[in-house]
Amino acid sequence: DTEVTQTPKHLVMGMTNKKSLKCEQHMGHRAMYWYKQKAKKPPELMFVYSYEKLSINESVPSRFSPECPNSSLLNLHLHALQPEDSALYLCASSIYRDNNYEQYFGPGTRLTVT
Amino acid sequence: KNQVEQSPQSLIILEGKNCTLQCNYTVSPFSNLRWYKQDTGRGPVSLTIMTFSENTKSNGRYTATLDADTKQSSLHITASQLSDSASYICVVSISNDYKLSFGAGTTVTVRA
Repeated sequence: DTEVTQTPKHLVMGMTNKKSLKCEQHMGHRAMYWYKQKAKKPPELMFVYSYEKLSINESVPSRFSPECPNSSLLNLHLHALQPEDSALYLCASSIYRDNNYEQYFGPGTRLTVT
Repeated sequence: KNQVEQSPQSLIILEGKNCTLQCNYTVSPFSNLRWYKQDTGRGPVSLTIMTFSENTKSNGRYTATLDADTKQSSLHITASQLSDSASYICVVSISNDYKLSFGAGTTVTVRA
């Protein structure tokens, strides 16, 4: 298995809803990432987990709550989002090779906040 | 400041023609450079990866070049197809760093 999977593909939620995004990989990668990408912009790093511990939080608002239950799974819990949070949310995992974290991206979840 | 600049911002080409995309970077210490293809609403897919010592890498009709001295890279698409319509993103890595430096991307539109 050489891919990162994400569910759901699309999500529409109201500002008072609570929802979760899910990411899974079975490549044995020990670092996993969440990115946010607005239209026609590059991905922006949100969180990095390394060996199931939060390693980087890029000053993301608390309405986004990441969770890494095990080395293969990464969740992003969403609560009280704003319309400007509508974006493509990308998950990635990486293998450490040649002094580098080689990242593999999932297909993304298209989130719309109404 | 680590920066990656891509040009042009967008381009339109006719099916079957070739095109070249440019990437200039100031990222240091440089580890490797990747070109990704991203279809609208989908995740980026890696096309090529080059380290400091490599100056060319091919993947089918895609050929990337790297000049580490001038800190420039290019992606050449040969005999373009309609399916090549996408955003192409240049991404530079720093050694032992989780964070990547992304270019803003070049949007390529291939017309019949």
